[in-house]
Amino acid sequence: AQSVTQPDIHITVSEGASLELRCNYSYGATPYLFWYVQSPGQGLQLLLKYFSGDTLVQGIKGFEAEFKRSQSSFNLRKPSVHWSDAAEYFCAVGGYSGGYNKLIFGAGTRLAVHP
Amino acid sequence: DSGVTQTPKHLITATGQRVTLRCSPRSGDLSVYWYQQSLDQGLQFLIQYYNGEERAKGNILERFSAQQFPDLHSELNLSSLELGDSALYFCASSLRSHQETQYFGPGTRLLVL
Repeated sequence: AQSVTQPDIHITVSEGASLELRCNYSYGATPYLFWYVQSPGQGLQLLLKYFSGDTLVQGIKGFEAEFKRSQSSFNLRKPSVHWSDAAEYFCAVGGYSGGYNKLIFGAGTRLAVHP
Repeated sequence: DSGVTQTPKHLITATGQRVTLRCSPRSGDLSVYWYQQSLDQGLQFLIQYYNGEERAKGNILERFSAQQFPDLHSELNLSSLELGDSALYFCASSLRSHQETQYFGPGTRLLVL
């Protein structure tokens, strides 16, 4: 069955520190992978996506993610966190199955940033 | 701003009632998806429409239904509401039906009292 695991429910980092949010997926075929961010009271904003090609993808707001097929992982990274990055981050896997394009989301990681 | 609009932003209603949530996709997008976000279930796919036709169903209750109109906007109808239906309901849209990025609206927060 398709699934996404985000092992860390909460993460706290200091402003200016580096960040890595973990995501592991289970998917039978070639997955399409996404990271979305949700600020309090807001919708989901797409940070970046991986469909094929270069396994290191760049996104908005200085985020990047690396697809590692051997580890079934798609971890999100940022070299220097800003206070405005405090939000909830969702990893999602999608794929073409049965004629539709469903996204399966992880449970999310809530990021707090200390000044 | 993703270009996906949802109305209303907030909805408070009573158990047993029926509500309609509305979604307008990004200009040019043919697919509309509905998701439910709740504390206990997380983000779950409900249903997808593509160019007016139902394409797929996920964990959608029989009390819930949706449709996509000729102008491509979509409505999600929730009936016989229960306390457990309180959640954030998101609409997303994509250009076509598969291998596509989904862009999400701001959501409708439903509170059933």
